[in-house]
Amino acid sequence: GNSVTQMEGPVTLSEEAFLTINCTYTATGYPSLFWYVQYPGEGLQLLLKATKADDKGSNKGFEATYRKETTSFHLEKGSVQVSDSAVYFCALSESGQNFVFGPGTRLSVLP
Amino acid sequence: GAGVSQSPSNKVTEKGKDVELRCDPISGHTALYWYRQRLGQGLEFLIYFQGNSAPDKSGLPSDRFSAERTGESVSTLTIQRTQQEDSAVYLCASSLDSSGQYNEQFFGPGTRLTVL
Repeated sequence: GNSVTQMEGPVTLSEEAFLTINCTYTATGYPSLFWYVQYPGEGLQLLLKATKADDKGSNKGFEATYRKETTSFHLEKGSVQVSDSAVYFCALSESGQNFVFGPGTRLSVLP
Repeated sequence: GAGVSQSPSNKVTEKGKDVELRCDPISGHTALYWYRQRLGQGLEFLIYFQGNSAPDKSGLPSDRFSAERTGESVSTLTIQRTQQEDSAVYLCASSLDSSGQYNEQFFGPGTRLTVL
């Protein structure tokens, strides 16, 4: 079956540091890939997505590139802020019917 | 309302009791999903509704779990004879439709269930 693996957290960074959260996936077909974010006390919300190989999703300074050859969708940001502290979930969907989520990576950014 | 709403926000119940959780999706969204999120873990797919099609129940963990949806509106998730391992946050999400995999899911705030 399909699956998503993320780097284990928590990840603690200082403000303005570079962020990478690794995500790799296993899928039988050609899924769309997503990053969702859950800020403290809030519900999950879509951060960015990519629907085919080599697509780059971007939002709020975050980027992720769909790499079919390495089955990866790593999340990056050049300079994190305290307000980026949240839990980040990588997810995939092949049909739109069943989304598979990774376990989440908690990010803490210190001032 | 503008977003997905869920009720109650918190539910504490005794082992063996039945509970019913409610989800109001965004108006016009034909697809609706239920997930379970145990403490410190990722989302676990439970069930999916799309329009008038038969729901995908493949994620329901046992026959104590069931869900219904009236047309393209409210959905209820029922857990019978609750067990302590059912304690989790239950999340509902809706999307415009699921004919492709491009549609963003909009999540509700969740219902935190605690089984004593």
